[in-house]
Amino acid sequence: SAVISQKPSRDICQRGTSLTIQCQVDSQVTMMFWYRQQPGQSLTLIATANQGSEATYESGFVIDKFPISRPNLTFSTLTVSNMSPEDSSIYLCSVEPGRVGETQYFGPGTRLLVL
Amino acid sequence: GESVGLHLPTLSVQEGDNSIINCAYSNSASDYFIWYKQESGKGPQFIIDIRSNMDKRQGQRVTVLLNKTVKHLSLQIAATQPGDSAVYFCAENNGGYQKVTFGTGTKLQVIP
Repeated sequence: SAVISQKPSRDICQRGTSLTIQCQVDSQVTMMFWYRQQPGQSLTLIATANQGSEATYESGFVIDKFPISRPNLTFSTLTVSNMSPEDSSIYLCSVEPGRVGETQYFGPGTRLLVL
Repeated sequence: GESVGLHLPTLSVQEGDNSIINCAYSNSASDYFIWYKQESGKGPQFIIDIRSNMDKRQGQRVTVLLNKTVKHLSLQIAATQPGDSAVYFCAENNGGYQKVTFGTGTKLQVIP
């Protein structure tokens, strides 16, 4: 498994501003993922963050709105840009340790409220 | 598109009874399935997984059953405890990099 931390744990932001969420893992991992979980709903994959290459975004998510950095094998950031109240969600990072047959492990999430 | 979904949004169970949470998946090519538990204010926690070459897998107090014929997955929790109260998600693993697609979730309420 892996121990994952996220910063901030929660935030309240004004419309039109941007917030950068950090994800730190206690071991080197190849694959990192960013998810969004809207209130009372399931998790939706935003993008896959690979070290050394551009992030791969899922349908409905674009780099201008959710830029991602992956500077090394233990760290990633997700920025929620030009926020609106519809961006109010829990944002979760997860990692895939890379060992065959092992699944993803999730961070505690960042709870974002946009006013 | 392909999806993974659950039959029941909420399940109430008496403490000590067994719980069964069901899940239907639509992608017949899926070969790896995972159950996650998400407690309030926390991220999803891995419970148990199963590959498509198996019908059943057991863990500590939990059992996952896979019926590929009807594309159905279930999670059984034995002797349900108050600490089992959470939302449970089934998930389908897509692709070689284990990109996970989540179902809609079932909320399990344990009645003391």
